Amino acid sequence: EVQLLESGGGLVQPGRSLRLSCAASGFTFGSYTMSWVRQAPGKGLEWVSHINTSGDNTYYVDSVKGRFTISRDNSKNTLYLRMNSLRAEDTAVYYCAKKKGDAFETWGQGTMVSVSS
Amino acid sequence: QSVLTQPPSVSAAPGQKVTISCSGSSSNIGKNYVSWYQQFPGTGPKLLIYENNERPSGIPDRFSGSKSGTSATLGITGLQTGDEADYYCGTWDSSLSAWVFGGGTKLTVL
Repeated sequence: EVQLLESGGGLVQPGRSLRLSCAASGFTFGSYTMSWVRQAPGKGLEWVSHINTSGDNTYYVDSVKGRFTISRDNSKNTLYLRMNSLRAEDTAVYYCAKKKGDAFETWGQGTMVSVSS
Repeated sequence: QSVLTQPPSVSAAPGQKVTISCSGSSSNIGKNYVSWYQQFPGTGPKLLIYENNERPSGIPDRFSGSKSGTSATLGITGLQTGDEADYYCGTWDSSLSAWVFGGGTKLTVL
C-alpha cells in the first residue's frame, strides 16, 4: 500500500525556520516526482513546490521562492521541505503528494504549520 | 483569487446528477491536462480524475470528467450523501510555471 507520512510541523515564530519531512513507502520512491501542497485554515489547496526524480530540477510558487527549499533523499525514501523566514501567511496544513503524470496520485494526511508570535 | 475558477458551492438531491465547472485560460486548461480531487474535512485530498477524463482504479464510474477549450467539468451521477465533500480542479500553468488549483467547490447532497 502506498503511504506518505508527513512530520515536522508545529508552532513557530515569524522569521524562524522549520523542516518538514515526508516518509514514503509502498512504491519506488526514486521513480516519481514529488510535491508539497498546502492548505491554509478554511481555504483551498495551494501548490508549493515539486522536485523531479533525481532532485536536480525544482519548481516553487512565487510566494515561497528564496525562502523554501525542497529536497529528497532517495536512499531514505524521504521528501523534505526546508522553510526559512516563515511568515504568518505560511500557516497551513502541508501535504506531501506523489505525482504520476500530470496529477497528484497519492496524498499524505498532512502536517500543520502555525506561524505566530 | 485562484487562477482556476470554480463555483463555491453546488447542491442536488440524492440520486440526482451534478456538474462542477472549472474555468481557466489558454496557458493552463487550454494547454494541459486537468485533474480533479475530492477532499473530506480533516483529510488529505483524493485523486478522482486525471488526464481530463480518466479514472484511477477504485473510483466508481459515477464520476466523470471532460474538457473543452479552457474549461473543464466534473460530473457526478447517482449522488449519495457520502459524496458530500470539497472538490478541486488542478492543472499546470505553462506561463506561470506553476501548478494551479481552483478555489474548490463544496458539494451538498440535500
